[in-house]
Amino acid sequence: GEKVEQHESTLSVREGDSAVINCTYTDTASSYFPWYKQEAGKSLHFVIDIRSNVDRKQSQRLTVLLDKKAKRFSLHITATQPEDSAIYFCAASRGNSAGNKLTFGIGTRVLVRP
Amino acid sequence: EAGVTQSPRYAVLQEGQAVSFWCDPISGHDTLYWYQQPRDQGPQLLVYFRDEAVIDNSQLPSDRFSAVRPKGTNSTLKIQSAKQGDTATYLCASSFKDTEVFFGKGTRLTVV
Repeated sequence: GEKVEQHESTLSVREGDSAVINCTYTDTASSYFPWYKQEAGKSLHFVIDIRSNVDRKQSQRLTVLLDKKAKRFSLHITATQPEDSAIYFCAASRGNSAGNKLTFGIGTRVLVRP
Repeated sequence: EAGVTQSPRYAVLQEGQAVSFWCDPISGHDTLYWYQQPRDQGPQLLVYFRDEAVIDNSQLPSDRFSAVRPKGTNSTLKIQSAKQGDTATYLCASSFKDTEVFFGKGTRLTVV
């Protein structure tokens, strides 16, 4: 089955700097790659996703890049703010009509320092 | 619009006891998922439904776990004879087909 590896377990950045989280996946049939944010004691909150028909997607300060050849995708957060501090999970799915069976990475704890 | 609703929010059991978790997905969402999230790990899929049909339950420990979604709306996940290794947060999620998956707040289970 699919395996998703999240390469950074923790990331500490200064407020205003950029943060980058990298993930790799194993299933060449995966076509949907969402990112979720989990704040302390809370559930997962969707932040951004990308499908395999594009290699870049941006939403405000968030950009997702997808390299299908390398089976790698990444989340870039620019101009980080204290409220960006959380655990970020990447996930992958084949995304077919039967639903989105998501396989998650282990999570990256992002700490934005003042 | 109401999100995914789960109850209870917390449960504490002794080993060997049974527990049920309930989930109400977002209205109109045909696909419902149950995930298990151990502490400091990512969520792991247990089972998911399309309407009332089980699509994949390959990761559900079938000897002690069961899940149903009889009318294709609400769902119940049950653990018979809980073990300490079942300690985790149980997350319910829903989507419309293969669109964005929305998660509930979860049920934090502690088995002592």
